[in-house]
Amino acid sequence: DAGVIQSPRHEVTEMGQEVTLRCKPISGHDYLFWYRQTMMRGLELLIYFNNNVPIDDSGMPEDRFSAKMPNASFSTLKIQPSEPRDSAVYFCASSAIQGRNQPQHFGDGTRLSIL
Amino acid sequence: DAKTTQPPSMDCAEGRAANLPCNHSTISGNEYVYWYRQIHSQGPQYIIHGLKNNETNEMASLIITEDRKSSTLILPHATLRDTAVYYCIVRVPFGNEKLTFGTGTRLTIIP
Repeated sequence: DAGVIQSPRHEVTEMGQEVTLRCKPISGHDYLFWYRQTMMRGLELLIYFNNNVPIDDSGMPEDRFSAKMPNASFSTLKIQPSEPRDSAVYFCASSAIQGRNQPQHFGDGTRLSIL
Repeated sequence: DAKTTQPPSMDCAEGRAANLPCNHSTISGNEYVYWYRQIHSQGPQYIIHGLKNNETNEMASLIITEDRKSSTLILPHATLRDTAVYYCIVRVPFGNEKLTFGTGTRLTIIP
């Protein structure tokens, strides 16, 4: 079975540009999560969705960040305008709702570098 | 969610059992213990979870003390591919789907 698919795997862009990260969750999963990982702050949750609806976005750093989930098989995380401090690895994860102890399955991340 | 404490790093010889400790002294009665690991350049991978009974699956065993204030993840026959950062997470699985990752233990398997 295909796991969580993220694209692109690597992104290098100049500050001020818009960046869009994409995620395809595992089919049938009801929850989708966006995380960010940096050396300084480790892995931190940015936002998560349940049935395409944002549930908790308290981890989104500021208004430059936005996330959408237009349907059950696709989500985007957008940064506009991007800044060098946004450089990090961004992970998407999904989990099923059947049984509350379902683990989260992570993609391999997008390594973002803002110059 | 209760806070966890893990040693920052550990070494283990290849083929031996790797025992990774986690302290969660403030755990409450309805919180589960989860373990994930992150191999370099990959996303975190779920390993195992438990409430109070010992658990075993194809990857590892989880031993939780009777007072539930600490636990140990056991990789029975460590291989070089088990080199990773291991995270112990305590959370209530109902009504809150968040995972809060700490700094974890960097496990290095020595050939």
